[in-house]
Amino acid sequence: GDSVTQMEGPVTLSEEAFLTINCTYTATGYPSLFWYVQYPGEGLQLLLKATKADDKGSNKGFEATYRKETTSFHLEKGSVQVSDSAVYFCALTDGSSNTGKLIFGQGTTLQVKP
Amino acid sequence: DGGITQSPKYLFRKEGQNVTLSCEQNLNHDAMYWYRQDPGQGLRLIYYSQIVNDFQKGDIAEGYSVSREKKESFPLTVTSAQKNPTAFYLCASSIQHRSSYNEQFFGPGTRLTVL
Repeated sequence: GDSVTQMEGPVTLSEEAFLTINCTYTATGYPSLFWYVQYPGEGLQLLLKATKADDKGSNKGFEATYRKETTSFHLEKGSVQVSDSAVYFCALTDGSSNTGKLIFGQGTTLQVKP
Repeated sequence: DGGITQSPKYLFRKEGQNVTLSCEQNLNHDAMYWYRQDPGQGLRLIYYSQIVNDFQKGDIAEGYSVSREKKESFPLTVTSAQKNPTAFYLCASSIQHRSSYNEQFFGPGTRLTVL
């Protein structure tokens, strides 16, 4: 079945450092890809999305490109802030069952130190 | 403001008791979902519903039940049959269930602890 694999955390960076969180996927069909962010004790918020190959999603300085050839959707930000500390989830729509449900990676914790 | 509300934020339950978690949305979304989140793991789907009076089991439905009597409401009951119910429960909704383009919007979650 479809699956998502994220790099293990925690990822610890200093403020203004460059961020990359790797995400690779296995899927049948043509899924849409998403990055969600979860701050402590809260629900998930959509950060960005891409619906087809070579699409780039971007929001709040974060960006990710849908790479079909490498089945990847890596999250990047040029300069992180302390306020970016959170858990980041990569997800895809379940194309194999056509139910619209999301399949999530295990999440990557980002800690940004001042 | 439109959104999804979940109540209560924290819930404590004794072993052997059923408990119901509330989820309400005023986004006029057709589809609603319940996920369970455990530490260090991604979200796992419990149940989902695409229209009123219809719902399907997700990946970990055993020990849970739901109802969808109104479009805006999708309560989840954690029964005494659920072996390890302590977790963070998240409700979500989306515009169109069968479209692969429509993202899901999440509520703030309910943290259930079994004493």
